[in-house]
Amino acid sequence: DTGVSQDPRHKITKRGQNVTFRCDPISEHNRLYWYRQTLGQGPEFLTYFQNEAQLEKSRLLSDRFSAERPKGSFSTLEIQRTEQGDSAMYLCASSFPQNEQFFGPGTRLTVL
Amino acid sequence: AQSVSQHNHHVILSEAASLELGCNYSYGGTVNLFWYVQYPGQHLQLLLKYFSGDPLVKGIKGFEAEFIKSKFSFNLRKPSVQWSDTAEYFCALSPGKSTFGDGTTLTVKP
Repeated sequence: DTGVSQDPRHKITKRGQNVTFRCDPISEHNRLYWYRQTLGQGPEFLTYFQNEAQLEKSRLLSDRFSAERPKGSFSTLEIQRTEQGDSAMYLCASSFPQNEQFFGPGTRLTVL
Repeated sequence: AQSVSQHNHHVILSEAASLELGCNYSYGGTVNLFWYVQYPGQHLQLLLKYFSGDPLVKGIKGFEAEFIKSKFSFNLRKPSVQWSDTAEYFCALSPGKSTFGDGTTLTVKP
């Protein structure tokens, strides 16, 4: 199966710690997206890349969040100084431009 | 700014009942519209999409949706639901990033 993969699937951390998540997109896709989803809500856009260029970043995203896609393949999302409000499912998706997105299984973050 | 509104948070139907889930969007330009489904314990996956052309689009598992530009709507329909359709359904629009609605949880009783 060459779908979108995310690692880790679950992360439990203490408030104030830094965490990093990884996403491996479908190899032919040049767009990669990060979303956050909490219970009872739809995925909330965080940022997206076309190849290695970060094209858009949500204004809701504080400067504690940073994402990279250094070689236009996999991407990492880092959250610094985590807060309890960061607890959520973090979703990654990939696509061709202007096409449907293929989602990974998500990383569930719990901040204690 | 773009937004998506889904009218029903939770819908409960009996098997063989007909389904219609509402989706309205706000965006000033040309839109691409999608319905995604998330079955329990699984990833989000695409049900159907509209880019242009025939406003009535058909997707997997007997679902269809109609794009009505004048009403800014893209409602999802299925004539006869099955227990296996129990899932959460999300409407989304793009260009560029996707903006999702808050989802509708569908429970189908056998």
